[in-house]
Amino acid sequence: NAGVTQTPKFQVLKTGQSMTLQCAQDMNHNSMYWYRQDPGMGLRLIYYSASEGTTDKGEVPNGYNVSRLNKREFSLRLESAAPSQTSVYFCASSEAGQGDNEQFFGPGTRLTVL
Amino acid sequence: EDQVTQSPEALRLQEGESSSLNCSYTVSGLRGLFWYRQDPGKGPEFLFTLYSAGEEKEKERLKATLTKKESFLHITAPKPEDSATYLCAVQGSDSWGKFQFGAGTQVVVTP
Repeated sequence: NAGVTQTPKFQVLKTGQSMTLQCAQDMNHNSMYWYRQDPGMGLRLIYYSASEGTTDKGEVPNGYNVSRLNKREFSLRLESAAPSQTSVYFCASSEAGQGDNEQFFGPGTRLTVL
Repeated sequence: EDQVTQSPEALRLQEGESSSLNCSYTVSGLRGLFWYRQDPGKGPEFLFTLYSAGEEKEKERLKATLTKKESFLHITAPKPEDSATYLCAVQGSDSWGKFQFGAGTQVVVTP
């Protein structure tokens, strides 16, 4: 049981390049999330997917796109990377419902845009 | 708009020196308040969920409490392994699926 996995762990891009961050979970969770974490600003929600087939914008969606490929996988794409997108990106999943719906996080992707 | 403010930003403790972290929040209808622990270079790890004012939860040396406006994470007789950044997050009834995180409190416990 791997939980939430993310690839790659590290990435360096040049301004204008594109890339896709991959995320997968094996806990059969309905909801998945993408966050970015910057010093002093905490975790900010980029996009989330409440269930397979749906996606919604979070607090900071500009410059990003997402795809909920199936129940397990949720990818984040940067079409034209900018230095302002240098950050640590975390994927998370949760079992939506009335009970404990805490999020389980992946190990993160450290992205540097030059 | 949901808001979460954590204080202090950083806390340095001697081993055994108990202290408390504060999480003040503004939310329209609280669905849940969450505490996470984050070690350097890793993703946040879930600690507690609190749902209503007056609720308390404990885990080893950590105890979380909740009022209508804030939550406290009490660390009793901390050990060096309790050193981490502690994050607070809320989920409001008007923002299903969206968790609003605070900036965190970095705790360092020295022997």
